[in-house]
Amino acid sequence: DAGVTQSPTHLIKTRGQQVTLRCSPISGHKSVSWYQQVLGQGPQFIFQYYEKEERGRGNFPDRFSARQFPNYSSELNVNALLLGDSALYLCASSLTGKDTEAFFGQGTRLTVV
Amino acid sequence: QKEVEQNSGPLSVPEGAIASLNCTYSDRGSQSFFWYRQYSGKSPELIMSIYSNGDKEDGRFTAQLNKASQYVSLLIRDSQPSDSATYLCAVTRSGGSYIPTFGRGTSLIVHP
Repeated sequence: DAGVTQSPTHLIKTRGQQVTLRCSPISGHKSVSWYQQVLGQGPQFIFQYYEKEERGRGNFPDRFSARQFPNYSSELNVNALLLGDSALYLCASSLTGKDTEAFFGQGTRLTVV
Repeated sequence: QKEVEQNSGPLSVPEGAIASLNCTYSDRGSQSFFWYRQYSGKSPELIMSIYSNGDKEDGRFTAQLNKASQYVSLLIRDSQPSDSATYLCAVTRSGGSYIPTFGRGTSLIVHP
């Protein structure tokens, strides 16, 4: 049974560019959350989606956006990349977003140069 | 004041010893508490959850919660070198939605 899958695993972008990260949740899970983790820090919440609706948004600028598709997969978009956006971007899936079991994907390592 | 605080460590313990990891939180209405393990370069893995005051044991792991003092701890008995990782404490805010706030994590090193 496949876990949470994220693509790509690594990415290098130039300042000012745009990036799209993708996440496929565990089969049957309807909620996806996105986190940013910079080196030495814990994951910071960016977005949560459930049944294609945004349920929560963290303290991130409008350059960050996301959506969830009918098959519950999700995309995170970041526009006008800054050097400070370099981080590990994590996707977590859960059945409803309100239960306890949230499973993380392997993450996408984004480097902005 | 940060919402979830952890000592970044590293905490170094010998193999076979008990490792004690601590976390404090600021939101007195916090409802759910979690410990994740994160190996270097990998994603976090949920290892324990606790919701009520007291102890919860799962194998070599024991989570302890004291809501009055606003702290949660994780004890690892018979520590193994394979337990060497960063341990993240996560807390959900009151209000019902599962959007955890993470601490910065404590690095644990178990040396042979």
